[in-house]
Amino acid sequence: DQQVKQNSPSLSVQEGRISILNCDYTNSMFDYFLWYKKYPAEGPTFLISISSIKDKNEDGRFTVFLNKSAKHLSLHIVPSQPGDSAVYFCAASYTGGFKTIFGAGTRLFVKA
Amino acid sequence: KAGVTQTPRYLIKTRGQQVTLSCSPISGHRSVSWYQQTPGQGLQFLFEYFSETQRNKGNFPGRFSGRQFSNSRSEMNVSTLELGDSALYLCASSFRGRADEQFFGPGTRLTVL
Repeated sequence: DQQVKQNSPSLSVQEGRISILNCDYTNSMFDYFLWYKKYPAEGPTFLISISSIKDKNEDGRFTVFLNKSAKHLSLHIVPSQPGDSAVYFCAASYTGGFKTIFGAGTRLFVKA
Repeated sequence: KAGVTQTPRYLIKTRGQQVTLSCSPISGHRSVSWYQQTPGQGLQFLFEYFSETQRNKGNFPGRFSGRQFSNSRSEMNVSTLELGDSALYLCASSFRGRADEQFFGPGTRLTVL
């Protein structure tokens, strides 16, 4: 039962353009959403998050949008850089749950 | 501040054996979570420990177990290994267990032959 879904296994983008990574969830109890970035041979690192009371959160080149009615969130990276090439995981949690549910990940390739 | 460390980094076992993986959290962190990463499945939550108590667990069979010691170090044990247990096992530590405060270790790559 995949409660968090990332339907695109990979995405290729030209340097300088926008990267849009998508994520859908099914559990309406989730009230906190996160994006992690993972390089090979390293553990995931936290990138950006958004609470369910917001619909947008921005941090530098990274913006996360949340559409609660559609149970959908997306990560925008503008402008994309070759160093952004990594696997991006969408994740969700709920208050008091003490567990984080991850999607399968999307591998982003940023071409120079 | 030292990061999360996991030992061993690589492990090869055969079917039917058991294995114990270790995770040392960042100093001061009391929460340790364990995840299994396989291609196409992403990170699957195994369990979370806080101050030696398991607070939540994922949907894994009883062959997967864990514990946490008084110094917050945690171990994960898998008994009667199956081929499908081959994966990268990640642990993450945080002060309170909040998802946005988690720091991940590099993982232990387990191969079951």
